[in-house]
Amino acid sequence: SYVLTQPPSVSVAPGKTATITCGGDMIGSKKVHWYQQKPGQAPVLVVYDDSDRPSGIPERFSGSKSGKTATLAVSRAEAGDEADYYCQVWDTSRDHRGVFGGGTRLTVL
Amino acid sequence: EAQLVQSGGGVVRPGGSLRLSCVGSGFIFDNYGMSWVRQVPGKGLEWVSGVNWNGGGALYADSVKGRFTISRDNSKNSLFLQMDSLKNEDTAFYFCATRTNIDGRFDYWGQGTLVTVSS
Repeated sequence: SYVLTQPPSVSVAPGKTATITCGGDMIGSKKVHWYQQKPGQAPVLVVYDDSDRPSGIPERFSGSKSGKTATLAVSRAEAGDEADYYCQVWDTSRDHRGVFGGGTRLTVL
Repeated sequence: EAQLVQSGGGVVRPGGSLRLSCVGSGFIFDNYGMSWVRQVPGKGLEWVSGVNWNGGGALYADSVKGRFTISRDNSKNSLFLQMDSLKNEDTAFYFCATRTNIDGRFDYWGQGTLVTVSS
């Protein structure tokens, strides 16, 4: 089955840029989406189709992709950005199914 | 504003059944495929099941195939998950979510409901 790999944790100083990676085979041929989840809340879509932002999501959140890795960047990090972040693709390589990365806990120190 | 409101969680014994519901508002419900995603407390997200805008094309994760059934009623803007033969490892928060057909992203999410399977 298709696997997306994320680092378990990332730390960033306030005002700096955090980068969260998501690796997977053939990821270049898939659309990657990113979700932010705060404790006790449902996930929220923050980046879709590799690098687009839904309305209402600050420009500080940006996405990119190169080779086998997609990246979510959170610039000018704030305390309110502390959350778990998940990457996701819709895998059509075998059966059609949703696939999530393991998640990354972002800590703003 | 798009909203998904869930109901139907609770405590059930192993081998038992439970039915989850999810009602959408503030958007055109039958423009979207729908999915269920679950999360064991303290763990990551796991896609469970999905269905097309018209109720066809039901898909399931291997972990629930043959035990769970997804369905929808577009006349009531509703999504359902019938869970049978429940196991301890099905204990999790269950979220419903809209799925955009063209790229498989999950735009809107329900608030989540806890299913606890325990004797």
